[in-house]
Formats: sequence, structure tokens, C-alpha cells
Amino acid sequence: KAGVTQTPRYLIKTRGQQVTLSCSPISGHRSVSWYQQTPGQGLQFLFEYFSETQRNKGNFPGRFSGRQFSNSRSEMNVSTLELGDSALYLCASSLGAATTEAFFGQGTRLTVV
Amino acid sequence: QKEVEQDPGPLSVPEGAIVSLNCTYSNSAFQYFMWYRQYSRKGPELLMYTYSSGNKEDGRFTAQVDKSSKYISLFIRDSQPSDSATYLCAMIPANQAGTALIFGKGTTLSVSS
Repeated sequence: KAGVTQTPRYLIKTRGQQVTLSCSPISGHRSVSWYQQTPGQGLQFLFEYFSETQRNKGNFPGRFSGRQFSNSRSEMNVSTLELGDSALYLCASSLGAATTEAFFGQGTRLTVV
Repeated sequence: QKEVEQDPGPLSVPEGAIVSLNCTYSNSAFQYFMWYRQYSRKGPELLMYTYSSGNKEDGRFTAQVDKSSKYISLFIRDSQPSDSATYLCAMIPANQAGTALIFGKGTTLSVSS
């Protein structure tokens, strides 16, 4: 059974640009969550989608946005990149609405220069 | 005070030792508790999942939850060099649908042969 797939694995962007990251959840999973991981702050929750609807949102500025498609695949977008956005962005998938077991992908390493 | 506190280590032990990893938390609403293992340059891997108080065992791993003390532990028996990784605790309140996990910052474990 394939795991959570995130693309691309590595990305280098310039300050001020925007970026889109992609996540394909485990087959049959309908919930996708996004997290930012940095050495200083650790893993922080960005947002969570279920059946194409955002259910929860963390404490991040509006430059961070996401969406989920009908096939449960999800994308997150960061506009007007700042140096502080450099991080590992992780996607996690869960089976359904009330499931709390989350399975993570390998992450996308974003570097903003 | 952060909601979840975890000693970052590093923790160094010889092969075969029993390892104890711990987290404390402040939110008494937390009901679901998880332990993840993260190897360098990889996404977190779900190790153990526990609901409410009690113990759960899986092979060499035992998870304990003491809600009265707001304290959770992960024990690793007969530790192996392959256990060298960062261990993250995560938790979520019972009344929050979806998977907005609150993570500790992780403990780095090194097992020497």
C-alpha cells in the first residue's frame, strides 16, 4: 500500500515569490493535514482538510493557504515568500472525519533565499 | 509555558539499554496521545497511539499515559542502533475533530553499538 506522497522533495525559491506544494494521501484516506517543521519551533499545524473543506486552521498568516480536490489530493500555497518560511513542510493523511491517527509523507524541504 | 514539553536531549545509550522518553502537557482536554519516530531527512513515522490513560505495548515499545500527572512516556527495550532517531510526542483534545496534532519538540536518541 503506497504511503503519503509529497512533491517536490526539495525546492529553492527567492524571497517574494510564491510556491505550491502537493500531497497525495494514502489511498482511501479523506483527511489531509499540513505541518511546518523548523528547528526553532518544531512541528506546527497549518491546516486540515476533509472532503474538500478546511476544518481546522493553525496560527499562520494568510499567505499560507491550501485546498483539497475531490480525489483527496491536496495542495498548499505560500505567497510572498519570506526567509523565515524556509522549513520542512509535511503532509499527513488520516482515514476519516474522526480519525486521529495521522500518517506523514517525507516532506518538502523549502529553502527561501 | 508551551502546551507540550519534551526534553530535546540528546540522549545517548549503549545498545541493549532500556530507553525512557517523556513528555508533559498542560491541557487536561488532551485525550489522544501518539509517539512518532523521525529519522534524519524523513517524515515522522507513527509508532504508538493511545487513547486516554493506561499502557500499550507493541514489540519492544511500551507507551504509558498518566493523565492525573499530565505525563506520557515511551519505553524502548533492548535498544538498537537502528532506533537512533528523533522521537516526537503528539496529542490532541477529545473535542477537536480532525488531526490538529500538538507536538513536543522531540528528543534526539543515539544508540551506540
